[in-house]
Amino acid sequence: KQEVTQIPAALSVPEGENLVLNCSFTDSAIYNLQWFRQDPGKGLTSLLLIQSSQREQTSGRLNASLDKSSGRSTLYIAASQPGDSATYLCAVIINQAGTALIFGKGTTLSVSS
Amino acid sequence: DGGITQSPKYLFRKEGQNVTLSCEQNLNHDAMYWYRQDPGQGLRLIYYSQIVNDFQKGDIAEGYSVSREKKESFPLTVTSAQKNPTAFYLCASSDGGLQPPNSPLHFGNGTRLTVT
Repeated sequence: KQEVTQIPAALSVPEGENLVLNCSFTDSAIYNLQWFRQDPGKGLTSLLLIQSSQREQTSGRLNASLDKSSGRSTLYIAASQPGDSATYLCAVIINQAGTALIFGKGTTLSVSS
Repeated sequence: DGGITQSPKYLFRKEGQNVTLSCEQNLNHDAMYWYRQDPGQGLRLIYYSQIVNDFQKGDIAEGYSVSREKKESFPLTVTSAQKNPTAFYLCASSDGGLQPPNSPLHFGNGTRLTVT
């Protein structure tokens, strides 16, 4: 059974730091992996979608990498800002129709000014 | 602006009552989903629908029901049979439909249901 783990569960950093959030999954047979951001009491906002054939995706200060063989993905945030404070979730998509997403429990990031 | 609208934002009900959560999207997406989020747990899939008039059970469908009569609407009913209904409910949609999932999942802002 596919399991997705995100470590650490919480992270506090000062403004300006570069940081890495980790996501690991137990079964490498995935179709895509998606990173989301969730603000308190809100829904999820899609940040990056990496297809299984890709190694990384970039959007602004965010860069996500995927290593299927080792069951790992990382989300790199450059020059962190207080506005980056949120919970970051990763999800692996395990079927072709895209209806089966397995979510991690998230990493809650706090960036202090 | 295109997006997903969930209403209401907060909902309070007495135990034993059925309640329906609304989800509307104007993204012209084929696929729609309902997730439940509990503190300290990942999102869990309740139901999903790939096309109009068709839907499938997710991992935790017991005590819930859905309908998909229109492409843009996917309401979720929490019935009295759901033993622990208090949670944050999230609706999502994607352009995937029956095709490979190369498009990201889009979420609404959620409905927080409290049952006492």
